[in-house]
Amino acid sequence: QVQLVESGGGLVKPGGSLRLSCAASGFTFSDYYMSWIRQAPGKGLEWVSYISSSGSTIYYADSVKGRFTISRDNAKNSLYLQMNSLRAEDTAVYYCARVAFFCFDPWGQGTLVTVSS
Amino acid sequence: QSALTQPASVSGSPGQSITISCTGTSSDVGSYNLVSWYQQHPGKAPKLMIYEVSKRPSGVSNRFSGSKSGNTASLTISGLQAEDEADYYCCSYAGSSTYVVFGGGTKLTVL
Repeated sequence: QVQLVESGGGLVKPGGSLRLSCAASGFTFSDYYMSWIRQAPGKGLEWVSYISSSGSTIYYADSVKGRFTISRDNAKNSLYLQMNSLRAEDTAVYYCARVAFFCFDPWGQGTLVTVSS
Repeated sequence: QSALTQPASVSGSPGQSITISCTGTSSDVGSYNLVSWYQQHPGKAPKLMIYEVSKRPSGVSNRFSGSKSGNTASLTISGLQAEDEADYYCCSYAGSSTYVVFGGGTKLTVL
């Protein structure tokens, strides 16, 4: 079955960096756009970034532009999010999701990123 | 402040129907038939319930339906069941520069 498993979350100090990974299985990863979406504790969903199937097209939310970098390795069926210059407001559960019909399905279980001194 | 406006909460009794609204603008909901709805139970990942305004993914109950009029999309749940109690989020494509915007979420309580 289609499965997405995120990893790499944790506690990091403001200004620090973290790299999230998302391992995909159960579908042809290289055929799909992929996205990162986050959810701050007790808050709603916020789209972060997406990447086309080949990696040639990338978009970011204004809130992370210039600090976060999305990438993928189709040979490894993996999606990544490099997060630099982290701020307290980046604290959230980060989900990876497959993109289809301009919506997100399915989602991974999420990985928690906490930015605190 | 979220780009799409949803009521903070709605409630209904088992067997009843409820509707959750999602109001955007002519730049998102009003321009594209690309509204989706997600159900999220506490501590769980969101689950796609409706896409392209009114289409249901395989496996989603036909008690869930979606519609759109102008800048407002709606999710209707008929025959409410206890397991429908969750948070619901709408999402709309908003053009190639913004990509997508989410609503702030609606907490559904089944009384």
